[in-house]
Amino acid sequence: NAGVTQTPKFRILKIGQSMTLQCTQDMNHNYMYWYRQDPGMGLKLIYYSVGAGITDKGEVPNGYNVSRSTTEDFPLRLELAAPSQTSVYFCAIGTGTGYTGELFFGEGSRLTVL
Amino acid sequence: AQSVTQLGSHVSVSEGALVLLRCNYSSSVPPYLFWYVQYPNQGLQLLLKYTSAATLVKGINGFEAEFKKSETSFHLTKPSAHMSDAAEYFCAVSSLGGYQKVTFGTGTKLQVIP
Repeated sequence: NAGVTQTPKFRILKIGQSMTLQCTQDMNHNYMYWYRQDPGMGLKLIYYSVGAGITDKGEVPNGYNVSRSTTEDFPLRLELAAPSQTSVYFCAIGTGTGYTGELFFGEGSRLTVL
Repeated sequence: AQSVTQLGSHVSVSEGALVLLRCNYSSSVPPYLFWYVQYPNQGLQLLLKYTSAATLVKGINGFEAEFKKSETSFHLTKPSAHMSDAAEYFCAVSSLGGYQKVTFGTGTKLQVIP
């Protein structure tokens, strides 16, 4: 039972390239989230999903896209990477009963755009 | 709208001393409040949560926090710091209604001095 698995853990991209960050959960929870973490800024919500086929924008969605075709997977796609997207990305699932906002995080994916 | 303010981006304490990390929140509806801890190169882990039951909440590793509505505060304390407590701590808020997105503070790095 791995919980939340993110791949890759590290990646270097060139400006203008595209890539997908993968997130897979084995805990069968409906709510899934993508956050980015920048030094001194805390975590900012990029996109979230309340179930398969349902996604919505968070605070900082520009430059990103998501899909949720299954309960288990919630990939985050970066199109036309920019240096401003250099960050650590965390996928999380909502685990609280009745959903109170309790989150369980993956270990993160560190992305550098040069 | 909801928000969280953490006072002090860096806090240093001596081993064995009291730990006090400050968090103030803003929410238009009754909030759920959380403290998360992040060790280097890891994801965030839930330390404790307030979900409208007891105002004094006990968490893992000897930490506790008290919800004070009149002060809109949720400060994190531990009577005696241990070297292993050195980490970054994030206060977070979510609220009832909608899809319950979680808003994080900017974090406080705790240094424990031997």
